[in-house]
Amino acid sequence: QVQLVQSGAEVKKPGASVKVSCKASGYTFTNYAMHWVRQAPGQRLEWMGWINAGNGNTKYSQKFQGRVTITGDTSASTAYMELSSLISEDTAVYYCARGRVATVYNWFDPWGQGTLVTVSS
Amino acid sequence: QSVLTQPPSVSGAPGQRVTISCTGSSSNIGAGSDVHWYQQLPGTAPKLLIYGNSNRPSGVPDRFSGSKSGTSASLAIAGLQAEDEADYYCQSYDSSLSGSWVFGGGTKLTVL
Repeated sequence: QVQLVQSGAEVKKPGASVKVSCKASGYTFTNYAMHWVRQAPGQRLEWMGWINAGNGNTKYSQKFQGRVTITGDTSASTAYMELSSLISEDTAVYYCARGRVATVYNWFDPWGQGTLVTVSS
Repeated sequence: QSVLTQPPSVSGAPGQRVTISCTGSSSNIGAGSDVHWYQQLPGTAPKLLIYGNSNRPSGVPDRFSGSKSGTSASLAIAGLQAEDEADYYCQSYDSSLSGSWVFGGGTKLTVL
C-alpha cells in the first residue's frame, strides 16, 4: 500500500537547522509531488512547499522562502525538508504528504506520520 | 496570506447530522479552486476525507459528503458516531501571492 514514513523527533537549539526525511513506498516516486505541511501546537495546518519528484522543481511558501529547502533522492524514493535559522515558533509537527504534479488543484494523500521538531535553548 | 475560515467547533448527538462550513474568497474557492477535507483524530496525521469538493476516497463511509457553492464549501456528516469526534480541516489552492495551498483553521467536532 502507499505509505510515507518520516524520520524521528528532533530537538534543536535556536539558530540551528533541521532536516526531516520522508520515505515513500507503494508507488512510483517520480510520478508525484511531495508537499510539506506543518502544524504548530494549537495552530492550523500550514503549507510550506513542494517538490516535483520527477524533475526536482520546487516551490515554497513566501513565509518560508529563504529558510526552507526541499530536495528529493529518486534512488531512495525519499524527500527531504530542511529548515534553517530555527526559532521557538518553529516548534511544530512537520508532515510530508503526496500530491499530484499535473494540476494545482491538489489534494494531499497519504500523509506521513509526522515529525515533532522542538526548538528550545 | 489568504486563509479559509471554519467555525472553531460544532457538536451533535449520535445519529444526528452536522455541517461544517469553509468560507474562502475570490482568490481561492471563488476562483474555482477545488476544496478538499481532512479528518484528524487526536495524535494522528490528517486523513483525506473528501477530494474535489464532493468525492469520497475508497473506504470513507457515505455518511460523509461535501459540497461547494460560490466562495464557500461545506462538509456534512450524517448519522453521527462517537468515532467521528475529531478535528476537520478544509483545504484549497489560492492564486494570490504567487500561489500556495491553504487550509482552514480547523473545526473540532464533539459527539455529545
